[in-house]
Amino acid sequence: DGGITQSPKYLFRKEGQNVTLSCEQNLNHDAMYWYRQDPGQGLRLIYYSQIVNDFQKGDIAEGYSVSREKKESFPLTVTSAQKNPTAFYLCASSIGLAGALFNYEQYFGPGTRLTVT
Amino acid sequence: GQQVMQIPQYQHVQEGEDFTTYCNSSTTLSNIQWYKQRPGGHPVFLIQLVKSGEVKKQKRLTFQFGEAKKNSSLHITATQTTDVGTYFCAGPRAGGTSYGKLTFGQGTILTVHP
Repeated sequence: DGGITQSPKYLFRKEGQNVTLSCEQNLNHDAMYWYRQDPGQGLRLIYYSQIVNDFQKGDIAEGYSVSREKKESFPLTVTSAQKNPTAFYLCASSIGLAGALFNYEQYFGPGTRLTVT
Repeated sequence: GQQVMQIPQYQHVQEGEDFTTYCNSSTTLSNIQWYKQRPGGHPVFLIQLVKSGEVKKQKRLTFQFGEAKKNSSLHITATQTTDVGTYFCAGPRAGGTSYGKLTFGQGTILTVHP
């Protein structure tokens, strides 16, 4: 089955700890994204990557870090510097990046619900 | 920067009633996408509109892209309980450092009472 997996589904951490969220895809997609979703809000872009070993900051990158060492994997680390980390985190992938001339369907993983207390 | 607004934020309907959500962008969009997120689930792509004035149908769902390519709508005819969820529109940002980014509307949450 082709798709995106995220693990774990639920994650609980104490304040001050870094935590890494996993995202793996076997769709052979070049582009991958991390979004944050809070109640009543749309999806806000944290980081995105077009190619291995390259990634760009999104709109709310502060307190987060990513790596893209393999095409299939795009893990997100929520650091202790993120002031309000409790949220639903969604990973997505697409054939290519959204562009002015053409856009690509984004495939989302099931998400990780992170709670920090 | 580009803003994408959706209205209404919430919509409660009786099963069988129609439903419409509207998406308005502060800038002209080259294309627009719609996604559906079931409660507790993840967004799933529904459709992409590209042409000015384009209308596309998927069974009971009708999608429109405005003539000026700054607004779009999703209309559901005779809602069913399976239509419950949050509907998002999303458009690509134009140019420069915005390349590769999508702007999502805040979504319309639809509840359907049987």
